[in-house]
Amino acid sequence: AQKITQTQPGMFVQEKEAVTLDCTYDTSDQSYGLFWYKQPSSGEMIFLIYQGSYDEQNATEGRYSLNFQKARKSANLVISASQLGDSAMYFCAMREVYSGNTPLVFGKGTRLSVIA
Amino acid sequence: NAGVTQTPKFQVLKTGQSMTLQCAQDMNHEYMSWYRQDPGMGLRLIHYSVGAGITDQGEVPNGYNVSRSTTEDFPLRLLSAAPSQTSVYFCASSYSGLSGDIQYFGAGTRLSVL
Repeated sequence: AQKITQTQPGMFVQEKEAVTLDCTYDTSDQSYGLFWYKQPSSGEMIFLIYQGSYDEQNATEGRYSLNFQKARKSANLVISASQLGDSAMYFCAMREVYSGNTPLVFGKGTRLSVIA
Repeated sequence: NAGVTQTPKFQVLKTGQSMTLQCAQDMNHEYMSWYRQDPGMGLRLIHYSVGAGITDQGEVPNGYNVSRSTTEDFPLRLLSAAPSQTSVYFCASSYSGLSGDIQYFGAGTRLSVL
Protein backbone atom coordinates (compact mmCIF):
# COMPACT_ATOMS: atom_id res chain seq x y z
CA ALA A 1 0.00 0.00 0.00
CA GLN A 2 1.25 3.44 -0.87
CA LYS A 3 2.30 5.28 2.25
CA ILE A 4 2.54 8.76 0.72
CA THR A 5 0.07 10.03 -1.85
CA GLN A 6 0.49 13.22 -3.82
CA THR A 7 -2.56 13.53 -6.05
CA GLN A 8 -1.45 16.54 -8.10
CA PRO A 9 1.05 15.56 -10.79
CA GLY A 10 1.32 19.20 -11.89
CA MET A 11 0.21 22.61 -10.65
CA PHE A 12 0.37 26.14 -12.01
CA VAL A 13 0.39 29.29 -9.89
CA GLN A 14 0.68 32.96 -10.69
CA GLU A 15 3.70 34.75 -9.34
CA LYS A 16 3.09 36.33 -5.91
CA GLU A 17 0.09 34.12 -5.20
CA ALA A 18 -0.07 31.35 -2.61
CA VAL A 19 -0.27 27.69 -3.56
CA THR A 20 -1.04 24.49 -1.66
CA LEU A 21 0.52 21.17 -2.58
CA ASP A 22 -1.39 18.19 -1.24
CA CYS A 23 0.03 15.21 0.61
CA THR A 24 -1.77 12.42 2.43
CA TYR A 25 -0.07 9.60 4.26
CA ASP A 26 -0.83 6.21 5.70
CA THR A 27 0.63 4.92 8.94
CA SER A 28 -0.48 3.06 12.02
CA ASP A 29 2.43 4.42 14.02
CA GLN A 30 1.78 7.20 16.53
CA SER A 31 5.24 8.72 16.20
CA TYR A 32 6.40 9.78 12.77
CA GLY A 33 7.94 12.65 10.88
CA LEU A 34 6.78 14.35 7.72
CA PHE A 35 9.10 16.15 5.33
CA TRP A 36 8.93 18.20 2.17
CA TYR A 37 11.76 18.38 -0.34
CA LYS A 38 12.21 20.57 -3.40
CA GLN A 39 13.93 19.36 -6.55
CA PRO A 40 14.70 22.16 -9.03
CA SER A 41 15.58 21.45 -12.64
CA SER A 42 19.25 21.18 -11.64
CA GLY A 43 18.34 17.93 -9.91
CA GLU A 44 19.44 18.29 -6.30
CA MET A 45 17.11 17.44 -3.42
CA ILE A 46 16.65 20.34 -1.04
CA PHE A 47 15.05 19.92 2.39
CA LEU A 48 12.30 22.47 2.99
CA ILE A 49 10.32 21.74 6.12
CA TYR A 50 9.66 19.14 8.81
CA GLN A 51 6.62 18.32 10.96
CA GLY A 52 6.66 15.86 13.84
CA SER A 53 3.51 13.93 14.59
CA TYR A 54 3.43 15.23 18.17
CA ASP A 55 4.06 18.85 17.21
CA GLU A 56 1.01 20.90 18.15
CA GLN A 57 1.89 23.85 15.96
CA ASN A 58 2.10 23.73 12.19
CA ALA A 59 5.70 24.03 11.02
CA THR A 60 6.81 27.19 9.22
CA GLU A 61 10.05 28.07 7.46
CA GLY A 62 10.00 31.46 5.81
CA ARG A 63 7.49 31.34 2.93
CA TYR A 64 6.85 27.63 3.52
CA SER A 65 4.32 26.30 5.97
CA LEU A 66 2.96 22.86 6.55
CA ASN A 67 -0.78 22.47 7.07
CA PHE A 68 -0.81 19.41 9.31
CA GLN A 69 -4.17 17.72 9.91
CA LYS A 70 -3.39 14.60 11.90
CA ALA A 71 -6.90 13.14 11.99
CA ARG A 72 -7.16 13.42 8.21
CA LYS A 73 -3.55 12.20 7.77
CA SER A 74 -2.67 15.12 5.57
CA ALA A 75 0.44 17.29 5.49
CA ASN A 76 -0.04 19.89 2.79
CA LEU A 77 2.73 22.31 1.86
CA VAL A 78 1.72 25.95 1.52
CA ILE A 79 4.00 28.31 -0.36
CA SER A 80 3.12 31.96 0.11
CA ALA A 81 3.98 34.73 -2.36
CA SER A 82 5.21 32.37 -5.08
CA GLN A 83 8.37 33.28 -6.94
CA LEU A 84 9.64 32.12 -10.33
CA GLY A 85 12.41 30.25 -8.51
CA ASP A 86 9.79 28.09 -6.81
CA SER A 87 9.19 26.25 -10.08
CA ALA A 88 10.36 22.72 -9.28
CA MET A 89 9.28 19.22 -8.29
CA TYR A 90 8.10 18.93 -4.70
CA PHE A 91 8.18 15.68 -2.78
CA CYS A 92 6.38 14.78 0.41
CA ALA A 93 8.04 12.10 2.56
CA MET A 94 7.48 10.28 5.84
CA ARG A 95 9.64 8.52 8.35
CA GLU A 96 8.03 6.14 10.86
CA VAL A 97 9.50 5.04 14.17
CA TYR A 98 7.94 1.63 14.66
CA SER A 99 11.31 -0.06 14.92
CA GLY A 100 13.81 2.72 15.51
CA ASN A 101 15.90 3.31 12.43
CA THR A 102 13.55 3.56 9.50
CA PRO A 103 13.88 4.77 5.93
CA LEU A 104 12.36 7.89 4.46
CA VAL A 105 9.50 7.01 2.10
CA PHE A 106 8.58 9.43 -0.69
CA GLY A 107 5.50 10.28 -2.67
CA LYS A 108 5.66 10.57 -6.45
CA GLY A 109 5.90 14.33 -6.40
CA THR A 110 4.11 17.40 -7.73
CA ARG A 111 5.59 19.60 -10.43
CA LEU A 112 4.93 23.26 -9.66
CA SER A 113 5.19 25.87 -12.38
CA VAL A 114 5.13 29.53 -11.39
CA ILE A 115 3.88 31.86 -14.13
CA ALA A 116 4.98 35.49 -14.40
CA ASN B 1 31.89 21.01 4.96
CA ALA B 2 31.18 18.96 1.82
CA GLY B 3 28.05 17.13 3.10
CA VAL B 4 27.17 14.12 0.93
CA THR B 5 29.44 13.58 -2.08
CA GLN B 6 28.53 11.28 -4.94
CA THR B 7 30.81 10.21 -7.76
CA PRO B 8 30.59 10.03 -10.69
CA LYS B 9 27.98 12.58 -11.73
CA PHE B 10 27.33 10.85 -15.05
CA GLN B 11 28.04 7.34 -16.28
CA VAL B 12 27.25 5.31 -19.39
CA LEU B 13 27.52 1.53 -19.20
CA LYS B 14 26.98 -1.31 -21.57
CA THR B 15 24.63 -4.12 -20.61
CA GLY B 16 26.46 -6.63 -18.44
CA GLN B 17 29.15 -4.27 -17.20
CA SER B 18 29.67 -3.74 -13.49
CA MET B 19 30.42 -0.55 -11.66
CA THR B 20 30.37 1.07 -8.24
CA LEU B 21 28.66 4.35 -7.42
CA GLN B 22 30.54 6.08 -4.64
CA CYS B 23 28.96 7.94 -1.74
CA ALA B 24 30.78 9.66 1.10
CA GLN B 25 29.59 11.93 3.88
CA ASP B 26 31.59 14.00 6.31
CA MET B 27 28.86 14.73 8.88
CA ASN B 28 29.47 11.64 11.02
CA HIS B 29 25.99 10.38 10.17
CA GLU B 30 25.12 6.84 11.14
CA TYR B 31 22.26 6.39 8.69
CA MET B 32 22.87 6.26 4.94
CA SER B 33 20.68 5.20 2.05
CA TRP B 34 20.50 4.84 -1.71
CA TYR B 35 17.50 5.80 -3.84
CA ARG B 36 16.75 5.65 -7.50
CA GLN B 37 14.56 8.19 -9.24
CA ASP B 38 12.63 7.34 -12.36
CA PRO B 39 10.13 9.60 -14.17
CA GLY B 40 6.72 9.51 -12.46
CA MET B 41 7.93 7.16 -9.72
CA GLY B 42 9.35 9.49 -7.12
CA LEU B 43 12.33 8.20 -5.15
CA ARG B 44 12.45 4.51 -4.38
CA LEU B 45 14.71 3.07 -1.72
CA ILE B 46 17.31 0.54 -2.87
CA HIS B 47 19.36 -0.21 0.25
CA TYR B 48 20.07 1.50 3.52
CA SER B 49 22.48 1.24 6.43
CA VAL B 50 22.01 2.18 10.09
CA GLY B 51 25.72 2.05 10.85
CA ALA B 52 29.04 0.53 9.85
CA GLY B 53 28.67 -3.16 9.16
CA ILE B 54 24.85 -3.07 9.03
CA THR B 55 22.84 -2.90 5.80
CA ASP B 56 19.30 -3.76 4.81
CA GLN B 57 17.19 -3.93 1.66
CA GLY B 58 14.73 -1.32 0.58
CA GLU B 59 11.90 -1.45 -1.92
CA VAL B 60 13.93 -2.21 -5.07
CA PRO B 61 17.16 -4.04 -4.07
CA ASN B 62 17.48 -6.53 -6.95
CA GLY B 63 20.60 -6.07 -9.04
CA TYR B 64 22.37 -3.95 -6.43
CA ASN B 65 24.81 -4.71 -3.63
CA VAL B 66 26.01 -2.50 -0.79
CA SER B 67 28.46 -2.67 2.06
CA ARG B 68 29.32 -0.27 4.86
CA SER B 69 32.82 -0.77 6.17
CA THR B 70 33.18 2.78 7.52
CA THR B 71 30.79 5.41 8.84
CA GLU B 72 31.74 7.77 6.00
CA ASP B 73 31.33 5.58 2.91
CA PHE B 74 28.39 3.68 1.45
CA PRO B 75 29.12 2.44 -2.09
CA LEU B 76 26.45 0.97 -4.36
CA ARG B 77 27.51 -1.83 -6.70
CA LEU B 78 25.80 -2.82 -9.90
CA LEU B 79 26.94 -6.38 -10.57
CA SER B 80 25.70 -6.78 -14.15
CA ALA B 81 24.08 -3.62 -15.48
CA ALA B 82 20.75 -3.86 -17.29
CA PRO B 83 18.86 -1.18 -19.27
CA SER B 84 16.20 -1.21 -16.51
CA GLN B 85 18.82 0.26 -14.19
CA THR B 86 19.00 3.45 -16.25
CA SER B 87 18.04 6.04 -13.66
CA VAL B 88 19.23 8.85 -11.44
CA TYR B 89 20.73 7.57 -8.22
CA PHE B 90 20.77 9.54 -4.99
CA CYS B 91 22.70 8.84 -1.84
CA ALA B 92 21.46 10.36 1.41
CA SER B 93 22.48 10.45 5.04
CA SER B 94 21.06 11.46 8.40
CA TYR B 95 22.28 11.48 11.97
CA SER B 96 20.13 8.44 12.72
CA GLY B 97 17.03 6.74 11.36
CA LEU B 98 14.68 8.29 13.87
CA SER B 99 11.58 10.07 12.64
CA GLY B 100 12.81 13.60 13.29
CA ASP B 101 16.17 13.33 11.60
CA ILE B 102 16.54 15.32 8.40
CA GLN B 103 18.02 13.35 5.53
CA TYR B 104 20.55 15.18 3.36
CA PHE B 105 21.11 14.22 -0.24
CA GLY B 106 24.05 14.10 -2.60
CA ALA B 107 23.84 15.74 -6.02
CA GLY B 108 22.97 12.46 -7.75
CA THR B 109 24.50 10.17 -10.36
CA ARG B 110 22.83 9.95 -13.75
CA LEU B 111 23.36 6.43 -15.11
CA SER B 112 22.55 5.20 -18.60
CA VAL B 113 22.78 1.51 -19.48
CA LEU B 114 22.84 0.78 -23.20
